[in-house]
Amino acid sequence: AQTVTQSQPEMSVQEAETVTLSCTYDTSESDYYLFWYKQPPSRQMILVIRQEAYKQQNATENRFSVNFQKAAKSFSLKISDSQLGDAAMYFCAYVAQGGSEKLVFGKGTKLTVNP
Amino acid sequence: DADVTQTPRNRITKTGKRIMLECSQTKGHDRMYWYRQDPGLGLRLIYYSFDVKDINKGEISDGYSVSRQAQAKFSLSLESAIPNQTALYFCATSGGRNRYTFGSGTRLTVV
Repeated sequence: AQTVTQSQPEMSVQEAETVTLSCTYDTSESDYYLFWYKQPPSRQMILVIRQEAYKQQNATENRFSVNFQKAAKSFSLKISDSQLGDAAMYFCAYVAQGGSEKLVFGKGTKLTVNP
Repeated sequence: DADVTQTPRNRITKTGKRIMLECSQTKGHDRMYWYRQDPGLGLRLIYYSFDVKDINKGEISDGYSVSRQAQAKFSLSLESAIPNQTALYFCATSGGRNRYTFGSGTRLTVV
């Protein structure tokens, strides 16, 4: 079974600094997608970034970028110029291409942004 | 209106009571999912459905049942609620191409 591991239950960063959240996954599939979701206190699940495994280029969305290392099965999220509004739970997720499209989530990392 | 609507937003119920959480969507998606979120455990899949006649168990289906009344509606039931079912419950939909839409969640407390 596929698993997703987030080894940092909590992280903190100073406003305007850069922080990296770690995620590793285990799969025998070759075609899959990886995601980072943000969950602020409002509890809404917000898609931050999406990466297709067959694309070698790392995905970016404004201040958010990933470091996707397929061979190492690693998918870290870098947040640049951190803002107070970035404070939230962040979940890494995986889904195999085709089939049931069941998302598998990591346990989450709580990010605190200090002013 | 939200694309995926969950009701109620919050609910407190007593041990042993039957409770239904409802999810409706306007996305036109075939695939619908129920997830449970617990602190420190992330989101775990309870049930998922590809269409009205296709319902499948997820990793933690014990103590839960579901009903797919229509393409747009997918309900989760707790036949006899117990305190360790206290959690945040999410409904999600997918129209393929691995793009998901989540509801705003139902926070359930069983006392």
